[in-house]
Amino acid sequence: NAGVTQTPKFRVLKTGQSMTLLCAQDMNHEYMYWYRQDPGMGLRLIHYSVGEGTTAKGEVPDGYNVSRLKKQNFLLGLESAAPSQTSVYFCASSPFSGKNTIYFGEGSWLTVV
Amino acid sequence: ELKVEQNPLFLSMQEGKNYTIYCNYSTTSDRLYWYRQDPGKSLESLFVLLSNGAVKQEGRLMASLDTKARLSTLHITAAVHDLSATYFCAVEKANFGNEKLTFGTGTRLTIIP
Repeated sequence: NAGVTQTPKFRVLKTGQSMTLLCAQDMNHEYMYWYRQDPGMGLRLIHYSVGEGTTAKGEVPDGYNVSRLKKQNFLLGLESAAPSQTSVYFCASSPFSGKNTIYFGEGSWLTVV
Repeated sequence: ELKVEQNPLFLSMQEGKNYTIYCNYSTTSDRLYWYRQDPGKSLESLFVLLSNGAVKQEGRLMASLDTKARLSTLHITAAVHDLSATYFCAVEKANFGNEKLTFGTGTRLTIIP
């Protein structure tokens, strides 16, 4: 059972470069999320999606864009990477909103130099 | 703005001892989640608490929710080394869904043999 899969797991970028993180879930979940985790902090929501073709801003959306062209995939893009975006990124999904568990991927470690 | 505070942030305890992690939050909510994270790994769901007075137990861990006090506790009974991890609580803002989850900063628990 794959669950939530993120690629790549590790990446080093130079300032100004762009990249896309891919998240795929095989549980037919409606909701998908992108979080970032920084040392000494809890997870912070970047963007989320309530269904195919929809996206919405979370707590810290600046510098990121997302797309949900297919229900099972949620892409996170960095158009011009900055050192402040060095972080661990977690994708997650849930069947619907509220009163239920969110399932997390294994994380993507991104370093911007 | 919903704020979630956990304490302690770091906890080192001996095997066999009991201890409690506290999660306080600042605004009305009756939905609280506990997660476990091992170093370099993803977050694993432990408990979903959905009403005042909710209590859930799994093995040596027991979680409870007091919505009037805006407080959840995660109690560890007779700790064993395998429980060493970082524990996060996450609170769902009232009248919103998972997309309005706010995470605490985490409690890093180390069990000493």
